[in-house]
Amino acid sequence: NAGVTQTPKFRVLKTGQSMTLLCAQDMNHEYMYWYRQDPGMGLRLIHYSVGEGTTAKGEVPDGYNVSRLKKQNFLLGLESAAPSQTSVYFCASSYGTSGRAYEQYFGPGTRLTVT
Amino acid sequence: GEDVEQSLFLSVREGDSSVINCTYTDSSSTYLYWYKQEPGAGLQLLTYIFSNMDMKQDQRLTVLLNKKDKHLSLRIADTQTGDSAIYFCAESRSSASKIIFGSGTRLSIRP
Repeated sequence: NAGVTQTPKFRVLKTGQSMTLLCAQDMNHEYMYWYRQDPGMGLRLIHYSVGEGTTAKGEVPDGYNVSRLKKQNFLLGLESAAPSQTSVYFCASSYGTSGRAYEQYFGPGTRLTVT
Repeated sequence: GEDVEQSLFLSVREGDSSVINCTYTDSSSTYLYWYKQEPGAGLQLLTYIFSNMDMKQDQRLTVLLNKKDKHLSLRIADTQTGDSAIYFCAESRSSASKIIFGSGTRLSIRP
């Protein structure tokens, strides 16, 4: 099993450009999450999904959109990138209805720089 | 609101014990966790404790919970160079609700 994979690993964008980050998991997890990690601020939840076709806002959703068309994939979109979105983005997944949502499995991260 | 706080840095000598502390504000927290992040990698669940427990031991790791003071600690016995990482304290209200992470404590090991 590959676990949780993220593409791309690195990306540099200019202000106003758009991009999509892809997260894939092969563990048949119900729940998936997108976080951003900034120095000294820990992880902040952007959006999450509790199942295929469902999404919900997290702590810092502004400027991002997500989609979960397939259970194994969770996409994070930036429609018009801003320098404030420079960060490391982590995707995670977990079991949900079995009551083990706390055991989140993380991808390796995507380092995004917006100039 | 929900908040989790921890100190940013800790330096210990190899072979000594490391103690990483954390405080949280949500009195409804039911699950408390420690995650570990090695350089260039995502977070990995290290251990967790339920709010009705005071202590949990797992090999070199000991988690202590003082629910009255909302204080959580992680003790790593016989700290090794492989323990160098960022350690995140986190909490959630249930096994299915979102997790609130602290800002992480960077543990460095000196010879």
